[in-house]
Amino acid sequence: EAQVTQNPRYLITVTGKKLTVTCSQNMNHEYMSWYRQDPGLGLRQIYYSMNVEVTDKGDVPEGYKVSRKEKRNFPLILESPSPNQTSLYFCASSLSGTGAGNTIYFGEGSWLTVV
Amino acid sequence: QQPVQSPQAVILREGEDAVINCSSSKALYSVHWYRQKHGEAPVFLMILLKGGEQKGHDKISASFNEKKQQSSLYLTASQLSYSGTYFCGTALEVVSGGYNKLIFGAGTRLAVHP
Repeated sequence: EAQVTQNPRYLITVTGKKLTVTCSQNMNHEYMSWYRQDPGLGLRQIYYSMNVEVTDKGDVPEGYKVSRKEKRNFPLILESPSPNQTSLYFCASSLSGTGAGNTIYFGEGSWLTVV
Repeated sequence: QQPVQSPQAVILREGEDAVINCSSSKALYSVHWYRQKHGEAPVFLMILLKGGEQKGHDKISASFNEKKQQSSLYLTASQLSYSGTYFCGTALEVVSGGYNKLIFGAGTRLAVHP
């Protein structure tokens, strides 16, 4: 079954404590991306990756890091989380990007609260 | 740069039609449409590329007007299952690369009642 798997699904953490949200896809997709969703603001892209070792900033990359060392994994790293990073995070993937013929698959989401 | 979606909310009776619009002030490479139900992940509906094409997905179709940089999502004979928030995501037309950066609208809430 085609899947994008995120972990953890729910997390409460304290300001400044580094955390990583993992994302894994089983479809051999080249394109992976992270979004955050906040009420009234819709989805905002944090980072995206076109392939292994190729990453680029989205709309709101400040305070986040990513890495793409393997094709299937695209972890999101919060080096020093702050309360304004409390949000619902989604990982997504597609075969080759945002062009024709692509279907974008989303993970189930990770609720992150920073206190 | 965020595309503007309208209307912000729609209430329908089952069987009625609705149109959701997505407008950008920038030249677009592609427009995506998604539906999200409360507490769930967005579900991909379709991608449209510049060129004015129209696509269909069951009773949901969309068009992309390149001249106006506007896309419209058409929901015909609405069903209860159509309820949710609809988002458009836009990728800008750039000279080299960068078109995989998606910018989403704030969403349109659709409620279909019996």
